[in-house]
Amino acid sequence: KAGVTQTPRYLIKTRGQQVTLSCSPISGHRSVSWYQQTPGQGLQFLFEYFSETQRNKGNFPGRFSGRQFSNSRSEMNVSTLELGDSALYLCASSSGTEHNEQFFGPGTRLTVL
Amino acid sequence: AQRVTQPEKLLSVFKGAPVELKCNYSYSGSPELFWYVQYSRQRLQLLLRHISRESIKGFTADLNKGETSFHLKKPFAQEEDSAMYYCALSGGSNYKLTFGKGTLLTVNP
Repeated sequence: KAGVTQTPRYLIKTRGQQVTLSCSPISGHRSVSWYQQTPGQGLQFLFEYFSETQRNKGNFPGRFSGRQFSNSRSEMNVSTLELGDSALYLCASSSGTEHNEQFFGPGTRLTVL
Repeated sequence: AQRVTQPEKLLSVFKGAPVELKCNYSYSGSPELFWYVQYSRQRLQLLLRHISRESIKGFTADLNKGETSFHLKKPFAQEEDSAMYYCALSGGSNYKLTFGKGTLLTVNP
């Protein structure tokens, strides 16, 4: 099975811009979760989608949003970028059942200048 | 609220020595606990989970509900064990993982 893929791998944006990140889960997985990883805060949960519905959301401002398509691929969008949004954004997929193992992608490194 | 604490940011041991990476959690219900590992230049991957009670790569972890701990142990560390280790908690049906800040383990030759 191919693993979780994320595109692009690296991204440089300036403050005020918006960005869209993409995640393709493992075939057959219906759940996609997004995490933000920074040196100071570590790994923080953003949101989780299952069958195109957001099931859970972390404590991030409304500038962070996401969606999931019928083929389970997911995108997350960050609007009005701030310097503090610079981070590694990780996507993880799972079958979506309770406590199921999550498989992580390589991440997208976002730098905001 | 869910919280995971890994008190050691860095841990350095010699090859062949025992290693213990500490993890404490806070959760009011019955949690599912995991250890994830990230080797250099690789993606985050599951090492083990308490519900499966497995030993993976010589590592074991026991859930102690009284002490709310899930420490990761290995009797004889190997150089290839050098990596970043994250303890994570999943609570109830909220389908999210709460991670600790991680412990960077270095095994010296």
